[in-house]
Amino acid sequence: AQSVTQLDSHVSVSEGTPVLLRCNYSSSYSPSLFWYVQHPNKGLQLLLKYTSAATLVKGINGFEAEFKKSETSFHLTKPSAHMSDAAEYFCVVSVKPVINDMRFGAGTRLTVKP
Amino acid sequence: NAGVTQTPKFQVLKTGQSMTLQCAQDMNHEYMSWYRQDPGMGLRLIHYSVGAGITDQGEVPNGYNVSRSTTEDFPLRLLSAAPSQTSVYFCASSYSTSPDSPLHFGNGTRLTVT
Repeated sequence: AQSVTQLDSHVSVSEGTPVLLRCNYSSSYSPSLFWYVQHPNKGLQLLLKYTSAATLVKGINGFEAEFKKSETSFHLTKPSAHMSDAAEYFCVVSVKPVINDMRFGAGTRLTVKP
Repeated sequence: NAGVTQTPKFQVLKTGQSMTLQCAQDMNHEYMSWYRQDPGMGLRLIHYSVGAGITDQGEVPNGYNVSRSTTEDFPLRLLSAAPSQTSVYFCASSYSTSPDSPLHFGNGTRLTVT
């Protein structure tokens, strides 16, 4: 069973317009949720995480995400895209209370047009 | 502050050859892990370790071997390379084994098996 689904494999926006990257998850356990970003030929870098505190989570570089339990979603947003935001983004969910069972989404490639 | 260091960055092997991918972290992290990244599949866990002398299998362990003799190092061995092992490999570490602990990634090793 799919534990985490990123609904778009590719998103293209113009510089200065909003960004929305969508992630749905399934878990019988109260999950921890993360967004990571991967720039070309680099490792993944943590953008933000949710761990059962505030449902709206602010991350680095102006990104934020909202945990909606009723919709089992954890969408990533940014009000205004920059060229430097072009990268691959991964939604990650811990489906059990153990670190070795984190499930990665397939990734969303964000393109930013000038 | 080096973080997680992986070597080599690129490697080409012939079918049947063996090799070791190196991973070292200088953050005194308890947890270390190896993932492989394949197009459209996100990252999948190969092996992990919760401390020196302790290792266990992840989702896709076949064909790989690990050991952890020190806190800092966690090498991944390919016993007899196969074309199906062509992938990008990432080492990641975390300060604890709690599921809400973020992962710190190396920059990856791109392996091609011909």
